[in-house]
Formats: sequence, C-alpha cells, structure tokens
Amino acid sequence: GDSVTQMEGPVTLSEEAFLTINCTYTATGYPSLFWYVQYPGEGLQLLLKATKADDKGSNKGFEATYRKETTSFHLEKGSVQVSDSAVYFCALSSMNTGFQKLVFGTGTRLLVSP
Amino acid sequence: DSGVTQTPKHLITATGQRVTLRCSPRSGDLSVYWYQQSLDQGLQFLIQYYNGEERAKGNILERFSAQQFPDLHSELNLSSLELGDSALYFCASSVGGGTAPYEQYFGPGTRLTVT
Repeated sequence: GDSVTQMEGPVTLSEEAFLTINCTYTATGYPSLFWYVQYPGEGLQLLLKATKADDKGSNKGFEATYRKETTSFHLEKGSVQVSDSAVYFCALSSMNTGFQKLVFGTGTRLLVSP
Repeated sequence: DSGVTQTPKHLITATGQRVTLRCSPRSGDLSVYWYQQSLDQGLQFLIQYYNGEERAKGNILERFSAQQFPDLHSELNLSSLELGDSALYFCASSVGGGTAPYEQYFGPGTRLTVT
C-alpha cells in the first residue's frame, strides 16, 4: 500500500540556518504530495503541495520539489525563524485510494533557537 | 483559521462510556474526513463522507461510527471507550469527494482522554 517515510526528529537548528526535512514515498501511479505543519496546540495547516512530477510547491519561504525518479518530496527553507518551530508532516493522496484519504508520515519536529 | 470547526475542544471520560465529536466543514465543502492522531500510531485516516454518504473507510474500529447530516456537519461516535482510544481526533473538509486530489483543510481537533 501507499506509505510515506520522513526523517526522524527532532531537528534542532539555530535561527537563519538552512532547513531540509527528508520525505520519500511509496505509491503506484502519480500521487499528489503535501506538506502540512502543526504548531503547538493547533490543528494541521496545509503548507504546500505538488500534484505532478517536477512540480515545485512553495509557501512562506518553504519549498519542495516532486521528484518522481527518487520518489522524494524534501522540504527546504533557506533561513528558518524561531516561529517555524513546529511539527512537519509529509503526506500523499493517490488514485489507489481514489484521492479519498491522506497518508501521512510520522512527522518531524523542528526546534529553532534564537 | 481553516474554517473547519470542531467541538468540544477537550473531552475527558471514563472507560466504557460513549462520546460524540462534532465537526462543521468549511462553507461550500461537501466532504468531511476524520483522522485520529495518537503517539503510537501517528495520524491515521478513519472515514470519509461526501454529501451525506460514506465514501471511504480506513482504520476505523467497529466501536466507532460516523455520519454526515443534510446540513453537512458530521459526527463521530465512539463507544465502549478504552484507554487506548485517548487521542486527538481531527476533522478535515474538502470541496470534492475523491476524483481528484482536493486540498483537505483541518479543524483544530478534539482531544479525547479516557481514564
């Protein structure tokens, strides 16, 4: 079945450092890929998405490129802020399940210190 | 604010009891999804409704059931509660019902604690 694998956290960075959170997926066909962010005590917010190979999703300085050849969708940001501290979830939806559910990775906690 | 509302925010109850969680989707959205977030199992899809009809089922226990009403709000009913049912329950909504990767917008969640 479909699955998403994320790097284990926590990821601890200093403010203005470069961020990469790795995400790889397993799915047949062409899934759509998403990054969601969960701030402490809140629900999930859609951060960015990509629906086909080589698409780049971007939002709030975060970027991720859909790489079909490596089945990856790594999240990057050039300069993190303390306010970026949160848990980041990579997710996919696919035709296998009629796009009817999101399959999530385990989440990666990001801690940014001043 | 995603536009998805969930009530209550917190719920504490005892084992063996039954609770109902409520979700109102964003205006114009026809699909409602329920997810469970627990420490040991992560975020798992439970069930989806589209315009009042069940569309997809995930890892939902037989003790759990859901429905979507004509005004499109949804309720998740959890019965014969066990300690292991303690989790955050999220509702999400989307405009479409499963023919395309519609974006899902999540509510703030209901934290259920079973004692």
